[in-house]
Amino acid sequence: DSGVTQTPKHLITATGQRVTLRCSPRSGDLSVYWYQQSLDQGLQFLIQYYNGEERAKGNILERFSAQQFPDLHSELNLSSLELGDSALYFCASSVTNLFYNEQFFGPGTRLTVL
Amino acid sequence: QKEVEQDPGPLSVPEGAIVSLNCTYSNSAFQYFMWYRQYSRKGPELLMYTYSSGNKEDGRFTAQVDKSSKYISLFIRDSQPSDSATYLCAMSGNQAGTALIFGKGTTLSVSS
Repeated sequence: DSGVTQTPKHLITATGQRVTLRCSPRSGDLSVYWYQQSLDQGLQFLIQYYNGEERAKGNILERFSAQQFPDLHSELNLSSLELGDSALYFCASSVTNLFYNEQFFGPGTRLTVL
Repeated sequence: QKEVEQDPGPLSVPEGAIVSLNCTYSNSAFQYFMWYRQYSRKGPELLMYTYSSGNKEDGRFTAQVDKSSKYISLFIRDSQPSDSATYLCAMSGNQAGTALIFGKGTTLSVSS
């Protein structure tokens, strides 16, 4: 168990809908990263927050947004969902804002868009 | 050309075999090289971590980095069925905000 929790584990929704994925980092970790994992693209970095502030952006679509709250938990919001958004979404956390420090991954949320 | 290339496999070996997993990369700014292991339906977990070129050994696992060839390897000695997983290479530069770039992963199956 990495200490990172993600809810829900599974999410099934329809095209055009909006969902929110939640992540609680390990105790003491200030950085939260969101990744998308699909069979064709692999594990892709979406966005990073550090102590409540956005620090880095990767291949995140405009339909997606995230935030980190004062208690350091984070939410990833996906809107106007398309079939191609079906994937595993992972949250990871680390102590610092440096990507090369060890990142601890949660169990993931499996999103299915029908 | 993708920044990080990794053969997806699958790779099937008998128990006790030596396994070699490899990645190539194109970005010469990468300084930190990692191997993550991902079991089915789980999140990745850090297995090995190397800075710049050289070798690092941890038990049955050895990580090698050859920056001149832009090539990294993970060797698993005396492979066990519990090593069956997907292995992802990952790399990053040394500046804040430089994201971790992952390979697509190699799926390994070790049969008893």
